[in-house]
Amino acid sequence: GQSLEQPSEVTAVEGAIVQINCTYQTSGFYGLSWYQQHDGGAPTFLSYNGLDGLEETGRFSSFLSRSDSYGYLLLQELQMKDSASYFCAVQGGKLIFGQGTELSVKP
Amino acid sequence: EAGVAQSPRYKIIEKRQSVAFWCNPISGHATLYWYQQILGQGPKLLIQFQNNGVVDDSQLPKDRFSAERLKGVDSTLKIQPAKLEDSAVYLCASSSRTGGPDTQYFGPGTRLTVL
Repeated sequence: GQSLEQPSEVTAVEGAIVQINCTYQTSGFYGLSWYQQHDGGAPTFLSYNGLDGLEETGRFSSFLSRSDSYGYLLLQELQMKDSASYFCAVQGGKLIFGQGTELSVKP
Repeated sequence: EAGVAQSPRYKIIEKRQSVAFWCNPISGHATLYWYQQILGQGPKLLIQFQNNGVVDDSQLPKDRFSAERLKGVDSTLKIQPAKLEDSAVYLCASSSRTGGPDTQYFGPGTRLTVL
């Protein structure tokens, strides 16, 4: 079967750095994606890792280790607008989403 | 570029009634997806279309759910009859699947409440 695990919630303060971890078990793995979803909004694509290593996009970075079936999303210089749910998703024949991590950024 | 459009945004029905949702994907996107997102969970794929053909409907409860994508553009998802546990947000997404990572673009969703 397929499964993903990520923390249910994380709290941090403005300007801080936060890391959201994701471990997965799956067959037919191509890569790991991250999506952001604000309350009541649509999921929006943040990043994709098809190979091991770090991908950087502005304040957000994502990492993948295929041998460890592990990835993380790193958010730097946190802003209030980063308060949202973050989903890791395994890209195989289809996209399988984790349960999501609710990030709360405090002033 | 216009995004994925969905309607209605909200729908409240009684159990055993029927309901239909509509989706218009991003122009030129061949692949269209319907997801169900229950509160506090991640989106779960119900059905995937490539043009007007079904690629994956393994998690679609076919006794009550149906979907079609006529002419390979717009799509409708229908529930008949609805159950209480169908209360969720129904998300439509589309992608171009040009060979790279399957970046999916989501619509705003339809929030369904079954009473």
